Amino acid sequence: QVQLVQSGPEVKKPGASVKLSCKASGYTFSKYYIYWVRQTPGQGLEWLGVINPSANSTSYPQKLLDRVTMTSDTSTSTVYMYLSGLRSDDTAVYYCARAGSPNSGATQFDSWGQGSLVTVSS
Amino acid sequence: EIVLTQSPGTLSLSPGERATLSCRASQSVSSSYFGWYQQRPGQSPRLLIYAASSRATGIPDRFSGSGSGTDFTLTISRLEPEDFAVYYCHQYGTSPLTFGGGTKVEIK
Repeated sequence: QVQLVQSGPEVKKPGASVKLSCKASGYTFSKYYIYWVRQTPGQGLEWLGVINPSANSTSYPQKLLDRVTMTSDTSTSTVYMYLSGLRSDDTAVYYCARAGSPNSGATQFDSWGQGSLVTVSS
Repeated sequence: EIVLTQSPGTLSLSPGERATLSCRASQSVSSSYFGWYQQRPGQSPRLLIYAASSRATGIPDRFSGSGSGTDFTLTISRLEPEDFAVYYCHQYGTSPLTFGGGTKVEIK
């Protein structure tokens, strides 16, 4: 079965960077895009970007263009998300999720990781 | 950016009752790129409905989705105890992808 296992919780100081991982199993990794979404109590669910693992091509929302980077390693079926310039309002649970259809970046998210809590505090 | 507004914010109902959740978009959304998720406390979101009305794998038929353009609805025909949760609508056809603020279905 499809499984996405994410890295553990992180505590960072303002201005620092964080790198989260999402290891996929149970399907052909290269065929399905991976999305990242975060959830905060005050802001709900926010889309952070998407990566095509086979091509390492990405798309990010305008507001995060200068702070977020996503990469993939097909040898380990793992996707990484790097967020720089952390602020207190980046404190959230970060999820990776798989595209519901192969080779498509415009599709529902059919499987989600367990989430990684990132806390930004001085 | 397409803003999705869900109503009501909280729905208080009893098991066995029918739940009707609404999601209104600030501009037209293609039905092919609209979905609903359920999130129980302490869990990740779970896909319920995609393409506005298609149930995801393993989702019981008491869940149904409908709508088009700017108005979409999720209906739960008879609430089971495990259905009390938060529900989010989602549009994935226009960047940036966006989610609604959620409707909490609580036990009355």
